[in-house]
Amino acid sequence: EPEVTQTPSHQVTQMGQEVILRCVPISNHLYFYWYRQILGQKVEFLVSFYNNEISEKSEIFDDQFSVERPDGSNFTLKIRSTKLEDSAMYFCASSEATDYSNQPQHFGDGTRLSIL
Amino acid sequence: AQSVAQPEDQVNVAEGNPLTVKCTYSVSGNPYLFWYVQYPNRGLQFLLKYITGDNLVKGSYGFEAEFNKSQTSFHLKKPSALVSDSALYFCAVRDEGGSYIPTFGRGTSLIVHP
Repeated sequence: EPEVTQTPSHQVTQMGQEVILRCVPISNHLYFYWYRQILGQKVEFLVSFYNNEISEKSEIFDDQFSVERPDGSNFTLKIRSTKLEDSAMYFCASSEATDYSNQPQHFGDGTRLSIL
Repeated sequence: AQSVAQPEDQVNVAEGNPLTVKCTYSVSGNPYLFWYVQYPNRGLQFLLKYITGDNLVKGSYGFEAEFNKSQTSFHLKKPSALVSDSALYFCAVRDEGGSYIPTFGRGTSLIVHP
């Protein structure tokens, strides 16, 4: 079964540095998402992306964050000038194009981001 | 606005016994409801969904969920729990007439004792 893959599995970064989290969504999916989860608790929506632009974003997704689909396969989340509170698990997800509103999202295994 | 509540942080059940993980929701229109499971150090994995039709929905790994409109609930159930079912379970809801981004509950930790 096709999977969403995320790299790296664990990223350690000094506070104030930039970090890029990478995701390869399922190949025939056209809707992409980033979520974060702090300490194995609530899953928080960050941003959704379709047709090379942001579709929706939460209030968490401020100017510090950006997303990009630099080629036909990768989907990246960039965090500029990281803060201690950015430490979390970051999950990428994708869903099918057709009738996306009730299609389940397929999640990657996440990147654990640790800010020192 | 859409919201979802999972009233129990943790559910403990003995192997072989039936299990229930509770979820209630609030939406303005019709709900789309989902259950996901998360094993340690893994991403969320889709279990089942309710969009329309039969109130009893069957999903992966023997799980099922019952949609109850009058009680605005979508409880996850399994007739006979396995130790391997121990994981974190998330309920999610989307309002048919609202944002297409689902809102996730806080998660319920299911612990199945041998």
